[in-house]
Amino acid sequence: AQKVTQAQTEISVVEKEDVTLDCVYETRDTTYYLFWYKQPPSGELVFLIRRNSFDEQNEISGRYSWNFQKSTSSFNFTITASQVVDSAVYFCALSEYNFNKFYFGSGTKLNVKP
Amino acid sequence: EAGVAQSPRYKIIEKRQSVAFWCNPISGHATLYWYQQILGQGPKLLIQFQNNGVVDDSQLPKDRFSAERLKGVDSTLKIQPAKLEDSAVYLCASSLDGGSGSIYEQYFGPGTRLTVT
Repeated sequence: AQKVTQAQTEISVVEKEDVTLDCVYETRDTTYYLFWYKQPPSGELVFLIRRNSFDEQNEISGRYSWNFQKSTSSFNFTITASQVVDSAVYFCALSEYNFNKFYFGSGTKLNVKP
Repeated sequence: EAGVAQSPRYKIIEKRQSVAFWCNPISGHATLYWYQQILGQGPKLLIQFQNNGVVDDSQLPKDRFSAERLKGVDSTLKIQPAKLEDSAVYLCASSLDGGSGSIYEQYFGPGTRLTVT
């Protein structure tokens, strides 16, 4: 079974539209961390956010926001007013503290068209 | 602050040959990771070091892959002999040692694109 599921393989939007990238995770660990990374066409993975299992507060950073819901094991990422520069592959990741395991999802490719 | 350095950036070898990749993490980062990213897929963790000790190598194909992190800083990942299915980007990442209950974000290098023909 997938530990991190990103069901949306590819999404295309027009600039200025809002878009939400879904992430569902599975773990039995009581302490875990969730991450989002961006991989632009240049290829280098860029860290976006880190959230631990004890902090369910949503977070907003500029046009980016994250919705963490333990009840549904989801950690979704929303880009408001998307821009062409947001075009990239976005990965959700899970790190299990007690099990010492780290998993990436398969990624969602976001295409933002002008 | 310098980022994670990797070399070479590209490598083309024939199957059954050997190859080695080098990684220099961010200064002060105790934890180092090697990933394999096949085109169109997410990175797959191969091995994780904490200082010079191995934390997780459960997905490392040990019959052909080996890795070491001498002195707890630089690391080398080797493939011997290479197979066609090893064609991928090999990513190195590092993070701070989080201590009890904490795990920090990873910072990635530019990767090494390996093509096995």
